[in-house]
Amino acid sequence: ILNVEQSPQSLHVQEGDSTNFTCSFPSSNFYALHWYRWETAKSPEALFVMTLNGDEKKKGRISATLNTKEGYSYLYIKGSQPEDSATYLCASSNAGNNRKLIWGLGTSLAVNP
Amino acid sequence: EAGVAQSPRYKIIEKRQSVAFWCNPISGHATLYWYQQILGQGPKLLIQFQNNGVVDDSQLPKDRFSAERLKGVDSTLKIQPAKLEDSAVYLCASSFGVVAGSLQETQYFGPGTRLLVL
Repeated sequence: ILNVEQSPQSLHVQEGDSTNFTCSFPSSNFYALHWYRWETAKSPEALFVMTLNGDEKKKGRISATLNTKEGYSYLYIKGSQPEDSATYLCASSNAGNNRKLIWGLGTSLAVNP
Repeated sequence: EAGVAQSPRYKIIEKRQSVAFWCNPISGHATLYWYQQILGQGPKLLIQFQNNGVVDDSQLPKDRFSAERLKGVDSTLKIQPAKLEDSAVYLCASSFGVVAGSLQETQYFGPGTRLLVL
C-alpha cells in the first residue's frame, strides 16, 4: 500500500515570499507523481504530472522537481501572490495495470497581501 | 472544451435520508472517479469506472453507498441511508484512460457536491 505524505500541513507567507512544499512517496513500483491545486469553492486543478527521475516542470511562477530514487517531490512558488492561496495536493500512482492515485493530505497555503 | 459537471453543488439532509449526486464527465473520457473528501483529509477514492465497468470499489461502503455509470457516460452516486459521518465534499473526476501514458492519467475534477448530514 502506497503512503503519500505532504509537509508542511499549512503555511502562511507574505506576498512576494518564495516558498516550497514537500511530497514524499514510496519509491518502489512508482509510476507517476501528480500535483494539483485546490482553491476554495473551485475544482482541483492539475498542475504537473512527472514520471522520470530528475524531472522538472514549470508553469509560470510554480515549478516542481521529482526524485524517484529517494521518493520525494518539491513544489516551489516564486514570489507568492494572494491568488496562490489554495491547498496543494500531491498524488502518486503505481506501475502496473491496476493503477490508482494515492493522495496526500495536502499543504494549505495562505498568502497575505 | 466543457469540464466535468456535477450537481447539486450543495445538499443538506437529515441522517437516515437518501441523497443522490450526478456527474457528467468530459466527453471522450473513459475513466470516471468518485471521491469523498472529508475536511482535513485527502481525497478518498470511492469508486472508479472504466467505461461502464467498475475497476475499483474497494473503499465504497457498499451497505449504504451505490454508484452506476449507465452507457459509460454520466454517473450517479447514491447514499441510502445517510449518516452524520457522510458529511463531506463528493468529487467526481474523469480521465482519458487508466492504462495509457501518464498524461492521459491526469484527472479533471468537477466542482464537487458539499453534503451536510444533520
